Amino acid sequence: GNSVTQMEGPVTLSEEAFLTINCTYTATGYPSLFWYVQYPGEGLQLLLKATKADDKGSNKGFEATYRKETTSFHLEKGSVQVSDSAVYFCALAGNKLTFGGGTRVLVKP
Amino acid sequence: NAGVTQTPKFRILKIGQSMTLQCAQDMNHNYMYWYRQDPGMGLKLIYYSVGAGITDKGEVPNGYNVSRSTTEDFPLRLELAAPSQTSVYFCASRGDRRGETQYFGPGTRLLVL
Repeated sequence: GNSVTQMEGPVTLSEEAFLTINCTYTATGYPSLFWYVQYPGEGLQLLLKATKADDKGSNKGFEATYRKETTSFHLEKGSVQVSDSAVYFCALAGNKLTFGGGTRVLVKP
Repeated sequence: NAGVTQTPKFRILKIGQSMTLQCAQDMNHNYMYWYRQDPGMGLKLIYYSVGAGITDKGEVPNGYNVSRSTTEDFPLRLELAAPSQTSVYFCASRGDRRGETQYFGPGTRLLVL
């Protein structure tokens, strides 16, 4: 079956640091891939997505590229802000979404 | 569009009580989902539906029931509340096409004492 593995947190960074959150997946076919973000006390919001190999999703300075050869969809941001503190979920779409376990990111001023 | 709405926002139940968590969407989505999120954890799928009149179990269906009589509404029923059901519950919906985004509601926080 489908599965998603993402790096465990928490990840603690200083403002303006570079952020990478690794995500790898196992699936049959070519599923769509997503990154969702959950800010404290809120529901999940779509951050970005990619629907086919080599697609790059981007939003709010975050990027992720769908790499079929390495079955990965790593999330990156070049310069984080305190407001990026949140939990980030990688997900894979079939009939249902398969989520990774989430990575908590804390950005300190 | 209101998107996905959930009521109530917060509820305290006593052990053995019942309640229904309401979920509605105004995007004409066929696919709807219920998840629970325990503190510091990821999301677990409870039930889902691919259209009115069709529901199916997810990973953790025990202790819950659902119905889908309309496209818009997907209520989740807890019959005999237990402390293990203390969690935050999220409803979500998506359209039919491949790769469609799942849209989440704001959540219902449930405390069973």
